[in-house]
Amino acid sequence: DIQMTQSPSSLSASVGDRVIITCRASQRIGLYLNWYQQKPGKAPKLLIYAASNLETGVPSRFSGSGSGTDFTLTIRGLQPEDFATYYCQQSDSTPQVSFGGGTKVAVK
Amino acid sequence: EGQLVESGGDLVQSGGSLRLSCVASGFALSSHWMTWVRQAPGKGLEWVANIGQDGSETYYVASVQGRFSISRDNAKSSLYLQMNNLRVEDTAIYYCVRDQFYYGMDVWGQGTTVAVSS
Repeated sequence: DIQMTQSPSSLSASVGDRVIITCRASQRIGLYLNWYQQKPGKAPKLLIYAASNLETGVPSRFSGSGSGTDFTLTIRGLQPEDFATYYCQQSDSTPQVSFGGGTKVAVK
Repeated sequence: EGQLVESGGDLVQSGGSLRLSCVASGFALSSHWMTWVRQAPGKGLEWVANIGQDGSETYYVASVQGRFSISRDNAKSSLYLQMNNLRVEDTAIYYCVRDQFYYGMDVWGQGTTVAVSS
């Protein structure tokens, strides 16, 4: 099974900050990495697919990079609506996929 | 873009059974792999099971193998999860999801809550 490790598990930031979240896979997964945002009481929302492709309608302040085993999600100019929990997910071992443990972005 | 609506969640005793349903609208269910993802209280996301377009392929996370069964009725635009021999650790919100694999899980339902008591 492919294990996904996110870091940090939580962070505190202010509006306008640049936030970087990392995700590491236990084995190489190419570009098969997706990112999701989840707000309290809501279903997750797809932000980025295939490591760096922005889902339609997602603001351009979100970006993704990486390949192989190491990936990052960057939020440039954090907005109030961005305080949420973020998850990475690998789809290399499709159809059996796995998620990272999540990173909570909280208000400093 | 599409919508998914789950139902069937309930409070059940350990060892009991439940059947979750998910109805799709706005897209052709028959064209997509579908997935159930769950989230235990205060925890992260966990892939539970998925099923191919015609229902001939199904896959499960090890912890539910042999207890849960995923199925679909494309004519009714519906996805199901039959959960037997439920355990306390199955307590979670269960999400029905359209899974595009390389392109991500792009449509999620609102979730249905399953609570298993001892």
